[in-house]
Amino acid sequence: GAVVSQHPSWVICKSGTSVKIECRSLDFQATTMFWYRQFPKQSLMLMATSNEGSKATYEQGVEKDKFLINHASLTLSTLTVTSAHPEDSSFYICSATAFSTDTQYFGPGTRLTVL
Amino acid sequence: QKEVEQNSGPLSVPEGAIASLNCTYSDRGSQSFFWYRQYSGKSPELIMSIYSNGDKEDGRFTAQLNKASQYVSLLIRDSQPSDSATYLCAVISGGGADGLTFGKGTHLIIQP
Repeated sequence: GAVVSQHPSWVICKSGTSVKIECRSLDFQATTMFWYRQFPKQSLMLMATSNEGSKATYEQGVEKDKFLINHASLTLSTLTVTSAHPEDSSFYICSATAFSTDTQYFGPGTRLTVL
Repeated sequence: QKEVEQNSGPLSVPEGAIASLNCTYSDRGSQSFFWYRQYSGKSPELIMSIYSNGDKEDGRFTAQLNKASQYVSLLIRDSQPSDSATYLCAVISGGGADGLTFGKGTHLIIQP
């Protein structure tokens, strides 16, 4: 149980384009979904928290107009990196929690490379 | 500023020995504590959670929490080469709606 999927697993795009990453909880309904980013040799940094049907809460320093988050249902959240630039290249990982728990289950991650 | 500190390592342990990983956190209001394992290029996978002072055992893993000292540890008994990975300590200060604050991780190497 508690499986989270992400799609795509990797993506390469040109500078200035937008990229959408999907995060799905496959066998449970996710109260809350989180988006993290991990640069090489560094730890995971929380970008934003999203709840179904409401606006995402962004961490300090994360541009909400650049990283668009939509949490359309209890099993799906999407992260869109708009006008991507090489400095946005990173490993993007989502996680999800179920009702009445704070344990986060992570998706397999999406490796974004912006040329 | 919430901080979670870990020794980055590498920590080298012979196969079959006990590996001891440590973590301190700055926010005294933290309530939930987690250990994740991350293999290179992969996302973290949950090893254990702990919420109360004391020890919690799960198979070869034992998590220890001391809130007064703001200290969390993970012991791995009978270490195997497959345990070689980066171990991330993570903390939640509030409830389930809060994201995790991660340490930088300890790189563990189990020597066959």
